[in-house]
Amino acid sequence: QQQVKQSPQSLIVQKGGISIINCAYENTAFDYFPWYQQFPGKGPALLIAIRPDVSEKKEGRFTISFNKSAKQFSLHIMDSQPGDSATYFCAASLNSGYALNFGKGTSLLVTP
Amino acid sequence: EAGVVQSPRYKIIEKKQPVAFWCNPISGHNTLYWYLQNLGQGPELLIRYENEEAVDDSQLPKDRFSAERLKGVDSTLKIQPAELGDSAVYLCASSAGVAGGNTGELFFGEGSRLTVL
Repeated sequence: QQQVKQSPQSLIVQKGGISIINCAYENTAFDYFPWYQQFPGKGPALLIAIRPDVSEKKEGRFTISFNKSAKQFSLHIMDSQPGDSATYFCAASLNSGYALNFGKGTSLLVTP
Repeated sequence: EAGVVQSPRYKIIEKKQPVAFWCNPISGHNTLYWYLQNLGQGPELLIRYENEEAVDDSQLPKDRFSAERLKGVDSTLKIQPAELGDSAVYLCASSAGVAGGNTGELFFGEGSRLTVL
């Protein structure tokens, strides 16, 4: 059972554009929502994370928007760069110390 | 500081053969995870350890998979016998937990890619 649903499966954005990836979850007990970035041949690495007590968190060009009532959260990458081309996974867990439930991933390609 | 180290990086075996993967977590990280990642999919939890205790192994196919974490540091994941459907990347991750102001972030190794022929 997929506890976190992610879309789109793939995304192509021009350099300088905004990349938006969406996720939805079912378990209202989840209270930790990270985004991981994975390059080919590498393990996932934490990009940014949010807890449900805030609706938005920004770190540099990366922003998480969180809608608790809709059980949705999204990643926005501003001024997308070719170096951002990677696979992005949203995830959720009961707490940041518990195992993560990952989405299926979004393959992002930023064209020059 | 060294990250999570996994070996081997690549392994090709014939079906019905055994295989083992090794993981050395970040020093001081009490929590260790083994995840399975199929091609084009997100990681799926196999087992989680708190020190040497397996606290969540509900997703581990126990008929053919086994894992251990001796002395609460290194861990091994074994498959015996391997099946064609086991071809995937096996990821190890570790975490310092949330005590002492830690964020609970998971740090992943580069994975062990298994191909079963």
